[in-house]
Parts: sequence; C-alpha cells; structure tokens
Amino acid sequence: SQTIHQWPATLVQPVGSPLSLECTVEGTSNPNLYWYRQAAGRGLQLLFYSVGIGQISSEVPQNLSASRPQDRQFILSSKKLLLSDSGFYLCAWSVWGGMNTEAFFGQGTRLTVV
Amino acid sequence: AQSVSQHNHHVILSEAASLELGCNYSYGGTVNLFWYVQYPGQHLQLLLKYFSGDPLVKGIKGFEAEFIKSKFSFNLRKPSVQWSDTAEYFCAVNPTDNYGQNFVFGPGTRLSVLP
Repeated sequence: SQTIHQWPATLVQPVGSPLSLECTVEGTSNPNLYWYRQAAGRGLQLLFYSVGIGQISSEVPQNLSASRPQDRQFILSSKKLLLSDSGFYLCAWSVWGGMNTEAFFGQGTRLTVV
Repeated sequence: AQSVSQHNHHVILSEAASLELGCNYSYGGTVNLFWYVQYPGQHLQLLLKYFSGDPLVKGIKGFEAEFIKSKFSFNLRKPSVQWSDTAEYFCAVNPTDNYGQNFVFGPGTRLSVLP
C-alpha cells in the first residue's frame, strides 16, 4: 500500500535562516506531488505541484521554492525565512494521469519562524 | 482559475442535530469533488468523493453529499451528528481536464458538536 512521509513534524526557525522540508511517497510510481500551506480560516493554499522529476509548477509567488530530485521525493525550501512563512505545511500525492483520483496527505509540518 | 467557497466558517450543533455544510465551486468544465475532514491533531482524511454517476454519494461515518451541477454545489449532510464529528471540514474540487493535477480547497468549516 502507498504511504506518505513528511518530516519534521514541528520546526522552529529564526528569521533569515534556511528551510528544508522533505516529503517522500512509497508504494507508487510517478505520482503527482503537492505542497500546501494551511492557515486558519483560509483553508489549504496550493503552493507547488509537480507531475514529474524536475517539473515544478508554482501557484503563488512567495519566498519559497520546491524541488523534486527523485520520483517520489518532494522538497520545500527557502533561503531566508520570513515571519510570514510560519504555518502548517502539508505534502500530498495523487495518481499521475488519473482522472479519477484523490489526494492523499501527509501528517504535516508545523513551522514557526521566530 | 477555479475557486471553492464554503458557506460557514464555524458551525456549532448539539448532538443528534442534523448537519448541512455548504460548498460551491466556480469552474466551467468537468470536475471531481471531495470532502475532506481533519479531526483535532490528525491529518486530512477523505470523507467522500464524487467522480461521476449518481449525484448523491455516501461516505464514511454516515456522511453524504449531493452534487447539483446547475448550482455548482456539493453540500455535505449528516442526519444526526455525534460529538466525535467535531472537526474541520474541507470541500475540494479537481478539474478533470488537466489529468488530476490540481486540487483546489475551500477555506474550511469548523464543526463543534456539543455533548
């Protein structure tokens, strides 16, 4: 069966420091991968999605970037964190090319920038 | 671009009351529709989904939703809520013309069920 791993679960980082959040999926090949940010009262905001290695689409211009160095690995990064980057970050995957597919979510990372 | 709206930010009900959470989307093409639930301290889980066919779909824990295409709506219902239904509920839409690449979520509705 497929599983999704996201780490770390919580992270406290100072302003101006770099960020790297990692997400890996097991049990499937060539998934679509997503990074969302969840803010209270604003639902889930899609930040990036990827349909293949090295293919990244950005939905919202911001201080963050994403990379997909391997088929089932998706990384969210920042060179210099801002206070406004604090939030709950969720990784998700879905079946590539599947018209009838759902999104499966990881446990999330609670990021606090201080 | 697609968007999803949910009618209520916070709903408070007593146990055994009936529930209906509204969801509307804006997109001109064919979509898949979902309701996800996030229980306190847990990750997002799929509650139910609509791909095609019968517009009334049934999910886990007694939830159901009805897709009304003419109204671009996908409202969630449960005839009798329980305290354990306290959670945040998210409606989502996934256009089918881009091979499932994009899932757009609504802002969420927080449900509090009083014992």
